[in-house]
Amino acid sequence: KAGVTQTPRYLIKTRGQQVTLSCSPISGHRSVSWYQQTPGQGLQFLFEYFSETQRNKGNFPGRFSGRQFSNSRSEMNVSTLELGDSALYLCASSLKGQIDIQISPLHFGNGTRLTVT
Amino acid sequence: QKEVEQNSGPLSVPEGAIASLNCTYSDRGSQSFFWYRQYSGKSPELIMFIYSNGDKEDGRFTAQLNKASQYVSLLIRDSQPSDSATYLCAVNDGNNRLAFGKGNQVVVIP
Repeated sequence: KAGVTQTPRYLIKTRGQQVTLSCSPISGHRSVSWYQQTPGQGLQFLFEYFSETQRNKGNFPGRFSGRQFSNSRSEMNVSTLELGDSALYLCASSLKGQIDIQISPLHFGNGTRLTVT
Repeated sequence: QKEVEQNSGPLSVPEGAIASLNCTYSDRGSQSFFWYRQYSGKSPELIMFIYSNGDKEDGRFTAQLNKASQYVSLLIRDSQPSDSATYLCAVNDGNNRLAFGKGNQVVVIP
């Protein structure tokens, strides 16, 4: 079974631009979560989607948004990029959206490394 | 924001020794706990999970949970150079999301 697929793997953007990242979850997984990873802050939760609905949102500004499609694929958008947005963006999927170890833990994709110059 | 704390600084262990990692969490209501391993330049991969007090063993890995003291630990027995990685502790904060610690780097010295 294919894992979580994220595209692109690397992105270089300039301040003020916007960017869209894509994530295809493991087949059958309906929940998709997004995390930002930086050396200083570690892994921080951005948001989670389940059945095309955003169920949870982390403490990020409104410039960060996302959506999920009917096939469970998800996209994340960052507008008006800032230097501090440079990070590894990780997408993770789980089977039913409950991070319950008896059902399905989070499975991470390889990430998109975004560099803002 | 629920807090998850891990010991700072890299942990160097000789090959064959036991590596011990600790993690504390702030939310007494947390129910499930995870250890992820992340190799440099790679994504986190799940290696252990635990939700009951006590020990859980899986191969060379043992997770220990003490809810009263609000800590969870990971032991790596017979450490191998391939265990050199960053280990992330994560706690289910009850809202379908994980709160992660900042990780512990483990270096196994041959």
